Amino acid sequence: EVQLVESGGGLVQPGGSLRLSCAASGLTFNSYWMYWVRQAPGKGLVWVSRINSDGSDTSYADSVKGRFTVSRDNARNTLYLQMNSLRAEDTAVYYCATSTVTTAYWGQGTLVTVSS
Amino acid sequence: QSVLTQPPSVSGAPGQRVTISCTGSTSNIGAGYDVQWYHQLPGTAPKLLIYGNSHRPSGVPDRFSGSRSGTSASLDITGLQAEDEADYYCQSYDSSLSGWVFGGGTKLTVL
Repeated sequence: EVQLVESGGGLVQPGGSLRLSCAASGLTFNSYWMYWVRQAPGKGLVWVSRINSDGSDTSYADSVKGRFTVSRDNARNTLYLQMNSLRAEDTAVYYCATSTVTTAYWGQGTLVTVSS
Repeated sequence: QSVLTQPPSVSGAPGQRVTISCTGSTSNIGAGYDVQWYHQLPGTAPKLLIYGNSHRPSGVPDRFSGSRSGTSASLDITGLQAEDEADYYCQSYDSSLSGWVFGGGTKLTVL
């Protein structure tokens, strides 16, 4: 069974930093592109970042470019999202996810709250 | 403003049919990238409903069907049931963003 388990969320002050992790199991992690998607309270799904299977290529939504960094450790089957200069509008549940041609896997999400 | 455009809400009586539209552009749906549909209940992660524009994962009832044409896609739900009440999202890939794009979500209400 494929499992994606996010961790690292919590309460942080504006301007602060957090690092999210996503531990993957049940799949050949180093074969999958991975994605971070967030959902602000009461709002829709928004793509945040993407990383290719070996970590050599990344992309970001304009809203987080220059502040967030995605990375992965294929030896540890773990995806990361380093979030710096956090703003109130970054408050959301953050999901890690991946997909193949025929299926998709999502974690349960971790809540990040940016507030003073 | 989401990259893909969906109606904010749709509704129908039990047993009826509803359609949710998803409009994109030439850098995503119109470029030939597949469209996926998810449904989401409050407090839970999205669940895949349709992949590859029109294919249902195992376990998804055939009351759900999807299609894609040009820069748009649609999700049809027939024989509406109370349990279909949820938020529905379309998703594709965008070449200019090099990432996923989502619709803003459609809240389905079963009257």
